[in-house]
This record gives sequence, structure tokens and C-alpha cells, in this order.
Amino acid sequence: KNQVEQSPQSLIILEGKNCTLQCNYTVSPFSNLRWYKQDTGRGPVSLTIMTFSENTKSNGRYTATLDADTKQSSLHITASQLSDSASYICVVSYNDMRFGAGTRLTVKP
Amino acid sequence: DAGVIQSPRHEVTEMGQEVTLRCKPISGHDYLFWYRQTMMRGLELLIYFNNNVPIDDSGMPEDRFSAKMPNASFSTLKIQPSEPRDSAVYFCASTKGGNTDTQYFGPGTRLTVL
Repeated sequence: KNQVEQSPQSLIILEGKNCTLQCNYTVSPFSNLRWYKQDTGRGPVSLTIMTFSENTKSNGRYTATLDADTKQSSLHITASQLSDSASYICVVSYNDMRFGAGTRLTVKP
Repeated sequence: DAGVIQSPRHEVTEMGQEVTLRCKPISGHDYLFWYRQTMMRGLELLIYFNNNVPIDDSGMPEDRFSAKMPNASFSTLKIQPSEPRDSAVYFCASTKGGNTDTQYFGPGTRLTVL
């Protein structure tokens, strides 16, 4: 069973709207949690890295939150743009890395 | 900096052939990672190096896979013999400080084994 579960699998929103992607994990303990953005046909790009003691981390219009007690993280995208269309992958690390299957986000005009 | 460089970008080969994928990390980065990505299994870490030394190869699927890093600016991932189930996109990534630093991914090599 995958120790990192992401939801939803896919999401379609209109340009300018906000959205929130979820990542639930059972990896314990863990040292950090990362969110990546992956455009089709390209390598992942790091958005945020949070250690277990951090609650939130922002990168422009992207804000990641972490609740280590409930083992949940979310990635909030504000004022979405067409270029936000991509897959978003959650990765939880301790001695190894556990990858979520990703959320496919489509932003429509 | 040019970023992480991978070659070839695309590789098509026949089952049983040897395949070698190449990676040049960002200069000054001490860690290098090899990943594999498929639709079925998503992104998987295969192996990573620190200062050219393999640290964790527990993700390497089987003995047909091997990776080397002869120097700080070059790494190879070899599959011998290749099988159709090895078809995937293989990414190389590098980082300066290990587990807590930003990883920079290359563009990937799309491997198709017929």
C-alpha cells in the first residue's frame, strides 16, 4: 500500500480560481515533505520543502501547509493561471523517499 | 548554469540489448539521483550518490540495472539486458545538500524497449 496518498487524482478549474490539493501520508517518522510540479514531458520542479517542524511554506502563488499530527499536507494555488496546468507530486522523506501518484490539474480559460 | 543534462532524450531499443543513460549534474552539486517514472508506478527513486559514492541502491529493480558515477560531473545508468517492462522515463536529479535541499531534475530520457 502506498504510504503517500494524493487527492483528487485530477482536477479541472477555471483560470483565476483557487484550488487545494491534498496529500495524506503514513510515513513515520519523516524528515521532510516536498511538493513538485511536473509539466507534461518535463522533469519535476520543486515548489516547496517543509521539515516536520514547519507548518507552512510559500512560493509565489503556491502555499503548502503541513499538519504533522494528522499527517496531512495541502498545496493551495491562488489565482490559477493556464501555466499551472500540470501534475503535482507530493514526496515524503525519511531514510528513503515515498512518492504520491500525483494530482493532474487542468486550468481552463 | 545549463542545469542537469541527460542524454539521450529518447532511446528505442530491442529487448535484450544493452542501454546506457547518461547524466551530467549541476556543477558543485554533491548529490545525484536516478529516478524512473511510469504511468503505472509513478515516480520511483532508483539510486542516489553522494560525492560519487552510491549511498542507497535499494530502489534498483534487479541485477540488470547498474549505475556508476566515475567523477563529479558524470553518471551512467545501465540496463543489461533490457526488457519491455523497463520502458519508462528515466530522470536524473542533483542537489547540493542532500535530503533537505532543492532537487533539480534533468529533462529525462524516454526509453522504449520493443
